[in-house]
Amino acid sequence: EVQLVESGGGLIQPGGSLRLSCAASGFSVSNNYMSWVRQAPGSGLEWVSILYSSGSTYYIDSVKGRFTISRDNSRNTVYLQMNSLRAGDTAVYYCARSVNGIVDYWGQGTVVTVSS
Amino acid sequence: DIRMTQSPSTLSASVGDRVTITCRASQSVSIWLAWYQQKPGKAPKVLVSKASNLESGVPSRFSGSGSGTDFTLTISSLQPDDFATYYCQQYHTYLYSFGQGTKLEI
Repeated sequence: EVQLVESGGGLIQPGGSLRLSCAASGFSVSNNYMSWVRQAPGSGLEWVSILYSSGSTYYIDSVKGRFTISRDNSRNTVYLQMNSLRAGDTAVYYCARSVNGIVDYWGQGTVVTVSS
Repeated sequence: DIRMTQSPSTLSASVGDRVTITCRASQSVSIWLAWYQQKPGKAPKVLVSKASNLESGVPSRFSGSGSGTDFTLTISSLQPDDFATYYCQQYHTYLYSFGQGTKLEI
């Protein structure tokens, strides 16, 4: 059974750092396209970053230079390192697997709140 | 980055109504567009892929159309279970993107 379990969210002050983790089971993250998608309170979905099986990574402009997506194949886990956090980064962060461009599995989400 | 714009943002309708949601891309995405339905507290569920392909198990009252920059999702006869938020998503470029969502309410 495919599962994605996120962790690492919390309350952090502006300018701080957090690392989100997404532990996968039932498939290998190294062979799949893995992403982080966020949803701010009362807002829509925003595709933050994607990590291709080739290792290529892409980010939305608002997080470039601050966020880094990576994976640990031995742990079958995907990470999102978030630095220089801002109030606008407050959201529920979802880990997602996509196949042929479509998200077929989502995690339950982890809440990140950036506030002083 | 490709910007996806949905209209309307909110749509009020009744059971049995036919409704259409529009999604416009800032540049051509060919047919690489999907539609999702999201209910409160739940993960989104894909309804349509490749602009017009209905996913397995999705009721036939849902349909998608369009190509290039203009797309539509139509629900032919609204059912109570359809009241939710709908998102379009392009997967033409390396970084995918969603529209801002359309909330369908009673």
